[in-house]
Amino acid sequence: QVQLVESGGGVVQPGRSLRLSCVASGFSFSSFGMHWVRQAPGKGLEWVAVIWYDGSNQYYTDSVKGRFTISRDNSKDTLYLQMSSLRAEDTAVYYCAREATALLSYSTSPFDYCGQGTLVTVSS
Amino acid sequence: EIVMTQSPATLSVSPGERATLSCRASQSVSSNLAWYQQRPGQAPRLLIYGASTRATGIPARFSGSGSGTEFTLTISSLQSEDFALYYCQQYNNWPPKYTFGQGTKLEIK
Repeated sequence: QVQLVESGGGVVQPGRSLRLSCVASGFSFSSFGMHWVRQAPGKGLEWVAVIWYDGSNQYYTDSVKGRFTISRDNSKDTLYLQMSSLRAEDTAVYYCAREATALLSYSTSPFDYCGQGTLVTVSS
Repeated sequence: EIVMTQSPATLSVSPGERATLSCRASQSVSSNLAWYQQRPGQAPRLLIYGASTRATGIPARFSGSGSGTEFTLTISSLQSEDFALYYCQQYNNWPPKYTFGQGTKLEIK
């Protein structure tokens, strides 16, 4: 069965960096685009970034451009989110999510599986 | 940015009754609209995509309709496990700028 397990969250001071990981299993990781989605405490869902199945392209929401980098290692079935210059408003549970359609290029898709999330708290 | 607006914010319905949730887009998203369910402390779960297609394993009591800017999620006979938060999401932009509605909380009346 499809499993996505995030890790790397924690408490970090404003301006510092943190790297999240998401280990995938139960499917051909290298065939699916992957996303990060976040949810601030008591708030709704916010899309953060996407990376194509082959890692060739990445896209970001405006509020994290230039600060966050999404990447993947298909040999390790692992997705990453490198977060730098963190701000209080980045505090959230971060979920990794799989695109519902395989081998997608220049198109979009909903997310059919999400992990359980990892909490990032940015506070001094 | 396409803004998604859900109504109502909270919906109180009795078990066994029908629930109707609405989602409006600030501009047309064609049928590129998904619905997700989120139970407390859990990750979102895909219910509907393409505005009206049920995802794998989703019971037939869940149905979606609409296109363009107006969408509806209907749950025909509410079960206890259906009381949760529901989000709509558009995935129509290129380059991608996925946006979610603010959510509708479905609570027991």
